[in-house]
Amino acid sequence: NAGVTQTPKFRVLKTGQSMTLLCAQDMNHEYMYWYRQDPGMGLRLIHYSVGEGTTAKGEVPDGYNVSRLKKQNFLLGLESAAPSQTSVYFCASSYPSRGYREQYFGPGTRLTVT
Amino acid sequence: AQSVAQPEDQVNVAEGNPLTVKCTYSVSGNPYLFWYVQYPNRGLQFLLKYITGDNLVKGSYGFEAEFNKSQTSFHLKKPSALVSDSALYFCAVLNTNAGKSTFGDGTTLTVKP
Repeated sequence: NAGVTQTPKFRVLKTGQSMTLLCAQDMNHEYMYWYRQDPGMGLRLIHYSVGEGTTAKGEVPDGYNVSRLKKQNFLLGLESAAPSQTSVYFCASSYPSRGYREQYFGPGTRLTVT
Repeated sequence: AQSVAQPEDQVNVAEGNPLTVKCTYSVSGNPYLFWYVQYPNRGLQFLLKYITGDNLVKGSYGFEAEFNKSQTSFHLKKPSALVSDSALYFCAVLNTNAGKSTFGDGTTLTVKP
C-alpha cells in the first residue's frame, strides 16, 4: 500500500514550457486535490475532484488544468509555465465517509520555472 | 465562506514543557476540524480531527486538541513537548458540501532542548 505518490519529485522548466504532474493513490479514495505551497502562504487549493470524471476549481486555478480519467489518478497540467508557478505542489486524497474525511498527502513535487 | 486563522507564525517551547498551537475557525453549520503536521521536505500528515462528540480529541504522537464551540477555537496541545515535535503545523476546516478544506497559514513549532 503506497498511499499517495507523485511524479516527478523535482522539475525545472523554462518559461513557456508545459508539463504534467501525476498523482496516484491506491486507497480507493473518491476525492483528490492539488495544492501549492509557497512560503508564508500556507496551502492553496488549485483544483479538486470529487469523483472519476469530475473536476472543480479551487482557490488559485488560473494557469492550471486537471483531469481525472481514472479514479486512482489525478493529473495537473501547466500549459505555459510562468515563474509565478515556481512552488511545491502537493496532491492529496480523501474518503468522503462521515467518520473519515482526513486527507492523505503525497511527498510533493518541487517545481522551478526559470 | 469558511476560514481558518492561526494567529502565531512561530511558537517556541522548551522540551518537557506543555505546548499549545492556536487555531480559530469560521464556518456555517457544524465544523469538521483537522490538524496536520509537516516535517521538512515532506508532505502533510494527519494528526487528529474533530467531527462530533467529545470536545477533547486525542491523536497521534501524544497530541490532543480542544474544540470550543463558543470561542470557535480548536487549539492543539501536548502536555510535554519533545524536540522531535519541531515542525510546521496546519489547522484545517472541511466544507462538507463542497468536499474541500481550507487550511490555515501554518505555525512553526520549535522545541528547544
